Amino acid sequence: DTGVSQDPRHKITKRGQNVTFRCDPISEHNRLYWYRQTLGQGPEFLTYFQNEAQLEKSRLLSDRFSAERPKGSFSTLEIQRTEQGDSAMYLCASSSGLARTDTQYFGPGTRLTVL
Amino acid sequence: RKEVEQDPGPFNVPEGATVAFNCTYSNSASQSFFWYRQDCRKEPKLLMSVYSSGNEDGRFTAQLNRASQYISLLIRDSKLSDSATYLCAVNGGRGPNTDKLIFGTGTRLQVFP
Repeated sequence: DTGVSQDPRHKITKRGQNVTFRCDPISEHNRLYWYRQTLGQGPEFLTYFQNEAQLEKSRLLSDRFSAERPKGSFSTLEIQRTEQGDSAMYLCASSSGLARTDTQYFGPGTRLTVL
Repeated sequence: RKEVEQDPGPFNVPEGATVAFNCTYSNSASQSFFWYRQDCRKEPKLLMSVYSSGNEDGRFTAQLNRASQYISLLIRDSKLSDSATYLCAVNGGRGPNTDKLIFGTGTRLQVFP
C-alpha cells in the first residue's frame, strides 16, 4: 500500500497524559498536513510542512501541540497534557508539492479519545 | 460567517435520482476547489477537483461560479453506494501559505432503494 499511513489508528488516554501520533506520507511527497476532525464537522487545518520546514500553524494549535518532520519524510504530532476537548480524529494528508496547490491525499486518521 | 458553507442535509433520495449539492466560500482569492467523499468513520477521499470551466467524471459533474463564490456537485442516477458525506474544500487563497484546505461541514447523502 503506497498511500498515506498513520499510527496508531486508535488511542484512548486519560486526561493529562501525553500522546504522539505518526504519519508517513506518500513516498516523495514534499508537503505534509495535519488536520483535526470532530463529529459533524469538516476537517480543520492544524499545520503543514514543506519538506522539513513547518510553514504554517493554525491558531487551533495551542502550546500543548507540537509537530515535527525532522528529515522531511514522516511526521509526528504530539499533544501534551491532553484534555477532553482534544478528542477527535487527527488526519494527516500529503501532496506532491509540484504545483502551488495540488491534491491532498488523506491517511486513515488516528482517533483519539481522552477520558 | 464560516469560510466555507454547505447545507448539512441529510439528503434522502431514491436510487436513480439526481441530486445537487452547493457550497459557498468567502475568500475571493481562493484558487483551488475540490469535492471529497467521506464514508462513516473513514478518511476523506478525493472525488474530483473543480475547474473553472466545469468538469464531469461519469455520473458526477462539478461547477464553479467565481462571481458568486459558489461551487456545486451534481450526481446523476444515484446508486446506493453513493451514500456518504460530501465535503467541499477550498484552498486558503493567494499568498505564501495558501496550501491549507478549508472544508465545509459536509453534506450527508442517503440513497435508498
